[in-house]
Parts: sequence; structure tokens; C-alpha cells
Amino acid sequence: EVQLLESGGGLVQPGGSLRLSCKASGFTFNDYAMNWVRQSPGKGLEWVSGITGNGGSTHYADSVMGRFTISRDNSKDTLYLQMNSLRVEDTAIYYCAKGPGLLLRFCWLDPWGQGTLVIVSS
Amino acid sequence: DIQMTQSPSSLSASLGDRVTITCRASQGISNYLAWYQQKPGKVPKLLIYAASTLQPGVPSRFSGSRSGTDFTLTISSLQPEDVATYYCQKYNDAPSITFGQGTRLEIK
Repeated sequence: EVQLLESGGGLVQPGGSLRLSCKASGFTFNDYAMNWVRQSPGKGLEWVSGITGNGGSTHYADSVMGRFTISRDNSKDTLYLQMNSLRVEDTAIYYCAKGPGLLLRFCWLDPWGQGTLVIVSS
Repeated sequence: DIQMTQSPSSLSASLGDRVTITCRASQGISNYLAWYQQKPGKVPKLLIYAASTLQPGVPSRFSGSRSGTDFTLTISSLQPEDVATYYCQKYNDAPSITFGQGTRLEIK
């Protein structure tokens, strides 16, 4: 069974940093692109970032470009999201989600992890 | 940028009703559209990809279709467990992904 388990969320002050992790199991991790999607309280879904299976290509939403960095360690079957210069508007549940193939092209998302909550507040 | 307009934003229907939710793209996106279901307090779940391909395990009362730049998610006979918010997602212009605004479905 494919499983994704996020961790690393918490309360952080504006301007602070946080690193999220997503531990994958049940599939050959390096064969699949991975994505981060967030959902602010009571709001809709917003794609944040994606990375190809080999980690060679990464992409970001304009809202996080230059502040967030996606990476992966295929030896540990783990996806990361380094979040710097956090803003109040970054407060959200952050989900990791698996793509259907190696690349970020034509990427629907299945499955999703259970999410980790990030609260940015002073 | 291609915009996705999802409608309605909320919907109330009776058990057994046929329910339709629409997503309209501002430009052509071929069949590069997926639908997700998010039950209250739960994680989004993929229902349909490539506009009309049902994800394994999804009940057959769910279906998807496309007419030009209009995409429709249909529930043929509404069940209590279908109470959720439904999102469309386009994925034609990789690598970015865009979601619709969501449709909250309730039982009347």
C-alpha cells in the first residue's frame, strides 16, 4: 500500500524557517515525481512545488519562489520542503502528493499524505 | 495564464439526485483535467483523471466528461457519503498545477 507521512509542521514566527518531511513507502520512490500542496484554514487547494523523480528538476508557485526549496533524498524515500522567510499567509496544512510518473508533466496527484499543519504567527 | 472557473461554489441536493459540477477553462487544455473529493476533515482523494478516467476503487456513480473547454463531474445518484468539497485540477501546462475554487456539496 502506498503511504505518505508528513512531519515537521508547527508554530513559527513570521520571518522564521521550518523544514517539512514526507516519508514515502509502498512504491519505488525514485520512479515518481512528488509535489507539495497546501490548504489554508477553510480555503481551497494551492499547489506549492514539485520535483521530478531523480530530483533534477524543481518548480515553484510564484507565491513561494525564492523562499521555499523542495528536495528529495531517494536513498531515504523522503521528500522535503525547506520554508524560509515565512509569512502569516503561509499558514496552512501542507500535503505531499505523488505524481503518476517520473516527470512533472501531466501530473495528477495520488495519493496524498495526511498533511502537516504550519502556523505562522507572532 | 489559463484560468479555471468551477461552479457552483456550493450545492445542496437530495439523496438519489443526479448532481453535476462544472469546471471551465479559459483556454483549451485538452483532456488534462482531474477531479478530487475532500470529505470534511479528510485528505483530498483522486476521483478522475484525464477528464473521464475513473480512478480504481471509485464508485461507478461518479463520472467525468468534457465538451470543449467545459468539464463536468457527475454523480448519478447522490449518496450520504458523497458530502464533500470537490475540486478540479488542470495539469496541461506542466509543471505548474492549478486547482478550481471548489464546490461544497451538501444533502438537502
